[in-house]
Amino acid sequence: DQQVKQNSPSLSVQEGRISILNCDYTNSMFDYFLWYKKYPAEGPTFLISISSIKDKNEDGRFTVFLNKSAKHLSLHIVPSQPGDSAVYFCATSYGKLTFGQGTILTVHP
Amino acid sequence: DAMVIQNPRYQVTQFGKPVTLSCSQTLNHNVMYWYQQKSSQAPKLLFHYYDKDFNNEADTPDNFQSRRPNTSFCFLDIRSPGLGDAAMYLCATSNSGGASEQFFGPGTRLTVL
Repeated sequence: DQQVKQNSPSLSVQEGRISILNCDYTNSMFDYFLWYKKYPAEGPTFLISISSIKDKNEDGRFTVFLNKSAKHLSLHIVPSQPGDSAVYFCATSYGKLTFGQGTILTVHP
Repeated sequence: DAMVIQNPRYQVTQFGKPVTLSCSQTLNHNVMYWYQQKSSQAPKLLFHYYDKDFNNEADTPDNFQSRRPNTSFCFLDIRSPGLGDAAMYLCATSNSGGASEQFFGPGTRLTVL
């Protein structure tokens, strides 16, 4: 049973446009969420997080939105850049880090 | 630069031949984790050490064991690798458990022949 799901295996976006990556979770007890970014041949690196007491957290070009009633979070990247091309994992930290399967983002010049 | 280092980056072993993967950290973090990631799947936590306290996930096979001889080093031992154990193995550290950010090494790609 997958508690964190990223239903889009891949996303392709033009440079300068918005990238929206989505994530759904099943357990309403989850109260802290993170996004990690992974380049090939490297480990995942932390990108941005959000606590369930907020519905939005922003850091430069990256914004995470949390909809607790829908058990859904999304990562917005605006504007997208070719260097953003990577695998993006959402995760919840509830006792332990539980990851989604990841979404491969490709940003075309 | 403070970091998490994994050796080797690529490991090939034979079916049933024991193998050890290594992780070291210069971050001086209390907690060290081992994850298994199979192709196109989410990283899956195998176990973690909080200081010297070992915490095994309920569904981690007995074939997988770990050692943490000191703060800096942690090892993953696979006693009798099967073909299904071929995966990327990621080591991570954090300053404390729970919601704290984890820092990952680059991973070791294990191939089982």
